[in-house]
Amino acid sequence: AQSVTQLGSHVSVSEGALVLLRCNYSSSVPPYLFWYVQYPNQGLQLLLKYTTGATLVKGINGFEAEFKKSETSFHLTKPSAHMSDAAEYFCAVSGGYQKVTFGIGTKLQVIP
Amino acid sequence: DVKVTQSSRYLVKRTGEKVFLECVQDMDHENMFWYRQDPGLGLRLIYFSYDVKMKEKGDIPEGYSVSREKKERFSLILESASTNQTSMYLCASTTGGLLPFEKLFFGSGTQLSVL
Repeated sequence: AQSVTQLGSHVSVSEGALVLLRCNYSSSVPPYLFWYVQYPNQGLQLLLKYTTGATLVKGINGFEAEFKKSETSFHLTKPSAHMSDAAEYFCAVSGGYQKVTFGIGTKLQVIP
Repeated sequence: DVKVTQSSRYLVKRTGEKVFLECVQDMDHENMFWYRQDPGLGLRLIYFSYDVKMKEKGDIPEGYSVSREKKERFSLILESASTNQTSMYLCASTTGGLLPFEKLFFGSGTQLSVL
């Protein structure tokens, strides 16, 4: 069984401020972890993924996430928010088979 | 670039109608998926297929069926549409094999309204 909990369905940050989107997972096997982003009226795009190896993963548009097994977390961060980062972000987990379980999503608002 | 195309962006149907949602991918991917997206619930897997004529139930298959007669096409069928099936439907595909898992490529979605 696998599941994802995203804390905070809406997050607001000022332009230039740190972005922190929280994700905790549950998996009965070593997980593969993902962050996807959805811009308005579009499908989801992969931001970054963790499979094995280095626990700090860098993705597109300056985002990164750290896999912390002891905390079962995979939080997404970006040092400085940009207006174009406004979107909905989804954390997802897979146990290695092709089934992927998504969280409920976090809508990020960037305030000028 | 991989392209996943969903046949309709918006669809309005009546209760009891049989509804077909079509999805085509152009990258010879083995695996295809249907999700529905609802506010506050995120994405939930309806069905997936890992080969032609093969299908597996996801987390919420009730009221839905699927068809995969050709590798590039994956159809979602609502046998008798109901108002609680009003939702955004997303199709996705990815390469085959169990490990390592690669990213999903998503279509732009079909917003279905059942009246």
